[in-house]
Amino acid sequence: AQSVTQLDSQVPVFEEAPVELRCNYSSSVSVYLFWYVQYPNQGLQLLLKYLSGSTLVKSINGFEAEFNKSQTSFHLRKPSVHISDTAEYFCAVSGAGGTSYGKLTFGQGTILTVHP
Amino acid sequence: DARVTQTPRHKVTEMGQEVTMRCQPILGHNTVFWYRQTMMQGLELLAYFRNRAPLDDSGMPKDRFSAEMPDATLATLKIQPSEPRDSAVYFCASGLVPENTEAFFGQGTRLTVV
Repeated sequence: AQSVTQLDSQVPVFEEAPVELRCNYSSSVSVYLFWYVQYPNQGLQLLLKYLSGSTLVKSINGFEAEFNKSQTSFHLRKPSVHISDTAEYFCAVSGAGGTSYGKLTFGQGTILTVHP
Repeated sequence: DARVTQTPRHKVTEMGQEVTMRCQPILGHNTVFWYRQTMMQGLELLAYFRNRAPLDDSGMPKDRFSAEMPDATLATLKIQPSEPRDSAVYFCASGLVPENTEAFFGQGTRLTVV
């Protein structure tokens, strides 16, 4: 079984400031890690994912996340946020094999609000 | 443009009525998920199918909820009888395992039980 903890339920930040959204996970098996973003009244969209290889993964819109196995963390960062980044962000984990492959367990979400 | 389609987008029903939510997964995907999102509980996995067979429905209240895949292009989630505590947004997602680990989400069905 896996679990995900997002340490901040809300993160307010000013435009062009850096931001970090924290995520810790626990699992007894190897995992894949994901960040999804949800805009108001929309479904979830994949932002980035870690499967294997380089522990630093990046999205096309400037977000990055680093997998830290020893700290069981997968924090999301962006050096300079825009108003349009305002949304709810979900960290998720899935098992890397067996019947848990592809089955996502989500954290509680972090609402990022970017102020002008 | 491949996408997961959910119907209806919104549903208001009276307590005790049957509710059916439908999902058309992306063509060719072999895995379908049903999630429920509420303010209190966040995103909870209700059921999970692979190649139309249920793999895990432990998150679903068995006495009133049922999930099926009559064919590869349709997944259904039924609640009978519905209760006010079932009010939530229900998301369907599909994926292709093992080729791709990403789950693609539909827009959701917002259910209100009064």
